[in-house]
Amino acid sequence: DIQMTQSPSTLSASVGDRVTITCRASQSISSWLAWYQQKPGKAPILLIYKASSLESGVPSRFSGSGSGTEFTLTISSLQPDDFATYYCQQYNSYSWTFGQGTKVEIK
Amino acid sequence: EVQLVESGGGLVKPGGSLRLSCAASGFSFSSNTLTWVRQGPGKGLEWVSSITTSGGYIYYADSVKGRFTISRDDAKNSLYLQMNSLRAEDTAVYYCARDRGAGYFDCWGQGTLVTVSS
Repeated sequence: DIQMTQSPSTLSASVGDRVTITCRASQSISSWLAWYQQKPGKAPILLIYKASSLESGVPSRFSGSGSGTEFTLTISSLQPDDFATYYCQQYNSYSWTFGQGTKVEIK
Repeated sequence: EVQLVESGGGLVKPGGSLRLSCAASGFSFSSNTLTWVRQGPGKGLEWVSSITTSGGYIYYADSVKGRFTISRDDAKNSLYLQMNSLRAEDTAVYYCARDRGAGYFDCWGQGTLVTVSS
């Protein structure tokens, strides 16, 4: 199985900060990567697919980049609603795998 | 409005069985791959199983292979997960999710909690 590793595990930031989360795959997954946001007690929400395509309805402050084995999720200006846990997920080959998550906390 | 609603969770003893259901509405159920994803208490997301249209292809995570069975009833717009030989490590919130068609999930249910404990 392809292993997905996110860094950092926890990130402390302030409103207005630019935030970057990294996701690394154990082997090349081309651009078959998605990003999700999850708040406590809620289901995940799709933010980005195919590494850099913004899901409809998701604010443009979210962006994704990368290909192969290294990917990033960037929030250009952190808003109060963005404090949550973020997961990457590869869909290059079954079985699909998620990163362990990055919790974005208020500094 | 696209909606997925899970049900069937609860408390079960180790070795027991449980059947989860997911009722879908607001989209063409039969045209979509459907998936179960779980999340243990305080843990991350874990893909469990997927079933393609008409049940043509079925995939399982190694952790549940041989114990869980995914199925669908397109006439009832419903997805199921039969879970047998349950273990403590199967304790989790189970989500059903719609696969956009490539392996990522654009719609999720609210989840149903399965607790395996004696």
